[in-house]
Amino acid sequence: KAGVTQTPRYLIKTRGQQVTLSCSPISGHRSVSWYQQTPGQGLQFLFEYFSETQRNKGNFPGRFSGRQFSNSRSEMNVSTLELGDSALYLCASSLEGGLGSYEQYFGPGTRLTVT
Amino acid sequence: GQQVMQIPQYQHVQEGEDFTTYCNSSTTLSNIQWYKQRPGGHPVFLIQLVKSGEVKKQKRLTFQFGEAKKNSSLHITATQTTDVGTYFCAGAGAGSYQLTFGKGTKLSVIP
Repeated sequence: KAGVTQTPRYLIKTRGQQVTLSCSPISGHRSVSWYQQTPGQGLQFLFEYFSETQRNKGNFPGRFSGRQFSNSRSEMNVSTLELGDSALYLCASSLEGGLGSYEQYFGPGTRLTVT
Repeated sequence: GQQVMQIPQYQHVQEGEDFTTYCNSSTTLSNIQWYKQRPGGHPVFLIQLVKSGEVKKQKRLTFQFGEAKKNSSLHITATQTTDVGTYFCAGAGAGSYQLTFGKGTKLSVIP
């Protein structure tokens, strides 16, 4: 089975721009979660989607948004980029994601640099 | 909101020594999961604990879930250079779809 894929792997953007990151979960997995990883803050939860519905959202500003398509693929968007948005963005898929009870399979991440 | 604290932040050990990382939650957890992230890699699932007082072993790794389901530990016996990486615990509160990760313990093994 193919693993979680994320595109692009690397991205350099300028402050004020917007960016869209893509995630394809493992086949059959219906839950997709997004995390931001930085050296100082560790892994921070952004949001989780299941069957095209956002079930949970972390403490991030409204500039961070996401969506999930009917084939479970997911995208996240960051508008009006700030320097502090530079991070590794990780997508993780799981079978159900119900009540945090299923292990998550992480993709390789998208390394975003904002200049 | 739920907070998961993990200590120590860093640990340097000589190859062959034991290693332990501890995880504490501000709230009772429905389950706790452990992940390992190698340098330059992504987190990889190791194990999940669900029951109060549960202990699970994977070769040299021993995982424990506290009786109150608010703390957990990972112990590695006789570390090897292949154990290098950052170990994260992640907990889910009752009725939550969200996993809250600890900040991780970065393990360095000196050959």
